Amino acid sequence: DVKVTQSSRYLVKRTGEKVFLECVQDMDHENMFWYRQDPGLGLRLIYFSYDVKMKEKGDIPEGYSVSREKKERFSLILESASTNQTSMYLCASSLPFDGDTQYFGPGTRLTVL
Amino acid sequence: QKEVEQNSGPLSVPEGAIASLNCTYSDRGSQSFFWYRQYSGKSPELIMFIYSNGDKEDGRFTAQLNKASQYVSLLIRDSQPSDSATYLCAVKKTGTASKLTFGTGTRLQVTL
Repeated sequence: DVKVTQSSRYLVKRTGEKVFLECVQDMDHENMFWYRQDPGLGLRLIYFSYDVKMKEKGDIPEGYSVSREKKERFSLILESASTNQTSMYLCASSLPFDGDTQYFGPGTRLTVL
Repeated sequence: QKEVEQNSGPLSVPEGAIASLNCTYSDRGSQSFFWYRQYSGKSPELIMFIYSNGDKEDGRFTAQLNKASQYVSLLIRDSQPSDSATYLCAVKKTGTASKLTFGTGTRLQVTL
C-alpha cells in the first residue's frame, strides 16, 4: 500500500511567520505534488516535483516555495504566512506511467491568524 | 468554461438506489480520467480510473467514458449511507506530464 504522510494534521501560525509543511512517501514515487483545497474552489495545484531537486510551478505558486532534497520528501514553504493562506494543504505522490494515479496524504489544516 | 466541471450538489438518493455522478471536461485530447471520494475533513481516496471509451466496473462502481461528448460519469449501485461524501472528478490533460486537473466535486447524500 502506498503511504503518504504529512507532518501535521492541524497547524496554527501567525501572519508573517515562515511555515514549513512536510510530506513523505514510502513508495519510491518520482512525482510529488502540493495542493490547497478551499470550499467552492476545489483542489488547486501549488507546485509539482518530478525528481529530486526538480520542481515546476502549478496554478497558484505565489507566496509559496518548495524543496525536494530527497526522493521521498517534498516540503512546502510559506515564506511569510498571510491570512489568505489559511487552507487545507494536501500532498500527493504518483509514479509516472502508472496511469498517473495520485495518492494523497491526510492533509494539513493550516490557520494563519 | 471550467476545465473540469461538476455539479456541486448535493445529490440526494435513497439507500439502495443508483447514484449517477457526472463530469464534463474541456480538453478534447484528455487521456485519463479519475474518480476520487472525499469524506468531510479527510483527503481524497481513489475509487477508479478509466482511459478508454465505454464502461469500467469495479464492485458497486461503474465509470463511463464518452470522449466524443467529453464526459465521464460514475454510477454507484445499491447506494449506502457510507457512500455519502464528495466525489471528485480528475482529468489528465494533453501534454501535462503527470498533472491532474480536478473538478470541484459533487456532494452525494444517501438517505435512509
